[in-house]
Amino acid sequence: EIVLTQSPGTLSLSPGERATLSCRASQSVSSSYLAWYQQKPGQAPRLLIYGASSRATGIPDRFSGSGSGTDFTLTISRLEPEDFAVYYCQQYGSSHYTFGQGTKLEIK
Amino acid sequence: EVQLVESGGGLVQPGGSLRLSCAASGFTVSSNYMSWVRQAPGKGLEWVSVIYSGGSTYYADSVKGRFTISRDNSKNTLYLQMNSLRAEDTAVYYCASSYTPDAFDIWGQGTMVTVSS
Repeated sequence: EIVLTQSPGTLSLSPGERATLSCRASQSVSSSYLAWYQQKPGQAPRLLIYGASSRATGIPDRFSGSGSGTDFTLTISRLEPEDFAVYYCQQYGSSHYTFGQGTKLEIK
Repeated sequence: EVQLVESGGGLVQPGGSLRLSCAASGFTVSSNYMSWVRQAPGKGLEWVSVIYSGGSTYYADSVKGRFTISRDNSKNTLYLQMNSLRAEDTAVYYCASSYTPDAFDIWGQGTMVTVSS
């Protein structure tokens, strides 16, 4: 099973700043089957990025994904107040899925 | 409107059973990859099971042999039959869907399952 490790666990930033979230896989993720989700308290997760770098429908272009193999990054170019939430990476391979443990993005 | 609505959660004793349902609207469950994902209180997301559009099913090791995923095409509904429930199965259970197998772009609101005596 591929294990995804996200860092940092908590990121404290101010609106307008740039956020960089990391997701590292224990083995290479096939065909960039790596996705990112945002989850706010009491809500279901929302897909942000799939295929490592493709934005899902309706996702603002301040969100971008990059990486390949075992190292992936979610970047939020300029934080808006509504971006403070928990972010999860997720990989798909061999008909199974795993999630990272999450990064909490909090207001500084 | 594309929507998933879960139901069937509740309080059940250890060793008991529960069946969750997920009614879809705006798309056909048999055409999509349909999954269950759970989240224990205060914890992260854990994938539970998937049923492919072709009918193949797969499970996380933590639930294999205890949970069964299925769908009723006539009712456009996804199910999760959960047997031999344990305290560690306590979680919000989400159904999730996608047209491709690699990510989940449609989510329900979740249904809470509590396993406790």
